[in-house]
Amino acid sequence: AQTVTQSQPEMSVQEAETVTLSCTYDTSESDYYLFWYKQPPSRQMILVIRQEAYKQQNATENRFSVNFQKAAKSFSLKISDSQLGDAAMYFCASVLGDSNYQLIWGAGTKLIIKP
Amino acid sequence: DAGVTQSPTHLIKTRGQQVTLRCSPKSGHDTVSWYQQALGQGPQFIFQYYEEEERQRGNFPDRFSGHQFPNYSSELNVNALLLGDSALYLCASSWVRRRGSTDTQYFGPGTRLTVL
Repeated sequence: AQTVTQSQPEMSVQEAETVTLSCTYDTSESDYYLFWYKQPPSRQMILVIRQEAYKQQNATENRFSVNFQKAAKSFSLKISDSQLGDAAMYFCASVLGDSNYQLIWGAGTKLIIKP
Repeated sequence: DAGVTQSPTHLIKTRGQQVTLRCSPKSGHDTVSWYQQALGQGPQFIFQYYEEEERQRGNFPDRFSGHQFPNYSSELNVNALLLGDSALYLCASSWVRRRGSTDTQYFGPGTRLTVL
């Protein structure tokens, strides 16, 4: 079975600093996708970044980047130059792909930005 | 470019009643997934619709049913509501590039259901 684990219930960072959120997953499949989603207090689930397992290059989106370690089954999210608007719950999620379409979610990490 | 829309925003029902939630996918998307998110937890997959058929279902009872229309919009129906059905219901849409494949899911704002 596919599982996703986020071991940090809460993280805090000073505004303008860098923070890294951890995620590990477990799957026996070779083809899958990994995502980070952000859920602010409004509870709208917003896509932050996506990584295809077959790509060795780490995905980046502006201030957001991932460290994808396939052998270690690790998928961490780095947020650079943290802003007050980054405060939210961050969820790591995975989907297997072919013929298995559901997102499997971690428990989430609450990110607090200190001004 | 319209994103995923859901209606209603909030809903209050009593135990035993039935409820219908609605979702319109992002422009260009043909697949709709539904998730249930209890407070303080990650979402749980209910089911996914593609080509007007349920193509995968999560571990939810038959009280949860759905439908997809020719315009790709979707409904989630829940019968015989229980207190435990109180949650945020999220709809997500995506575009299937080829049969059997999947792609990034984009979410709507959710419907907050309270069962009294």
